[in-house]
Amino acid sequence: ILNVEQSPQSLHVQEGDSTNFTCSFPSSNFYALHWYRWETAKSPEALFVMTLNGDEKKKGRISATLNTKEGYSYLYIKGSQPEDSATYLCARGTGNQFYFGTGTSLTVIP
Amino acid sequence: ETGVTQTPRHLVMGMTNKKSLKCEQHLGHNAMYWYKQSAKKPLELMFVYSLEERVENNSVPSRFSPECPNSSHLFLHLHTLQPEDSALYLCASSQDTSGWGTDTQYFGPGTRLTVL
Repeated sequence: ILNVEQSPQSLHVQEGDSTNFTCSFPSSNFYALHWYRWETAKSPEALFVMTLNGDEKKKGRISATLNTKEGYSYLYIKGSQPEDSATYLCARGTGNQFYFGTGTSLTVIP
Repeated sequence: ETGVTQTPRHLVMGMTNKKSLKCEQHLGHNAMYWYKQSAKKPLELMFVYSLEERVENNSVPSRFSPECPNSSHLFLHLHTLQPEDSALYLCASSQDTSGWGTDTQYFGPGTRLTVL
């Protein structure tokens, strides 16, 4: 079992604050790390797929980094807005399977 | 319709019922997946189909029976379920099962299943 851990489990921030959360995964036989954003009652939405050690990806105010040697990825949100409220999932991709973490639930307070 | 759709969005069934969940993808993908999410647990892969052939079955009880008649449609047939099978069932698709875990999977909104 390729355990993927995410922390914190939940997070409340004020509008305008920047925040970040962590995804930890086994570093051996690494192929890819995926980040998803999941709003309640909607489909999980793909944010990033990262494959190389040191990768940095950015999409608007959201960015992510990857360290495959130590087995972690950080997701950053700059200047959080209420519409950023969602659960953020990471998944380790290997073979034809994804192994998901339990997610970080972010609430942005106006 | 675009993306991945699932019907029904909510389903309540008794333990002796037989029902089916439907998934349709409009992305031209070759691979489709069923996931289960129970409360406080990660998304758990149940089945993988590539080019309509099942390539992965993660020790799922036989009361769950998948069917993939073509690359756009995926069904999950349910019979004699247990209350602990109550969960959110998500369908996903990807271009391929590349074997490298790099292909993005695109998800439907899920079916919320309650077994009484």
